[in-house]
Amino acid sequence: AQKITQTQPGMFVQEKEAVTLDCTYDTSDPSYGLFWYKQPSSGEMIFLIYQGSYDQQNATEGRYSLNFQKARKSANLVISASQLGDSAMYFCAMDAAGNKLTFGGGTRVLVKP
Amino acid sequence: DTGVSQDPRHKITKRGQNVTFRCDPISEHNRLYWYRQTLGQGPEFLTYFQNEAQLEKSRLLSDRFSAERPKGSFSTLEIQRTEQGDSAMYLCASSRGPGRGNTEAFFGQGTRLTVV
Repeated sequence: AQKITQTQPGMFVQEKEAVTLDCTYDTSDPSYGLFWYKQPSSGEMIFLIYQGSYDQQNATEGRYSLNFQKARKSANLVISASQLGDSAMYFCAMDAAGNKLTFGGGTRVLVKP
Repeated sequence: DTGVSQDPRHKITKRGQNVTFRCDPISEHNRLYWYRQTLGQGPEFLTYFQNEAQLEKSRLLSDRFSAERPKGSFSTLEIQRTEQGDSAMYLCASSRGPGRGNTEAFFGQGTRLTVV
């Protein structure tokens, strides 16, 4: 069974600063994928970034980067230069064997002007 | 193609009534997923299809729930004899399928169900 843990229920960040969202995972599958999604108040889950378990380098997508530490089973999301539009819920998720996603409980981010 | 679309966006129903939701995936995607999300929680997996075949169902999917994907295109999720505990956001997602680089799932905007 897979499990995702997000220990930060909510975070404030000042506009233009960076913020790190924590995510730890547990799985016995050697091959898995790690994802981060953003969910604004409108409800849609927006894909942000993906990291494969065999990828050697940390994934980056624009202002988003994933700090993947395989030995620690962590996949933290770093958002650089925060913008007011980054205020949302953020979910870490994992799939194993290319099947369903298992989500964490989410972290609410509020960007302050 | 504009992405995954779900209909309706909102549904209010009386307890005991049946409801049906529709999901239209991205056209070239073989896999289609249904998730349920309650307030303040992450989405929970319900079921998924590979083309028209339903490959896995969660224990959350009681016998009052049924999902179909005829011809491997759109999918419907029906809830019979709704209960207040069914109130949630029902999210649909699609992906190309298994395999490296293909598992990224794109989500629709969801159907918010309120059972009164």
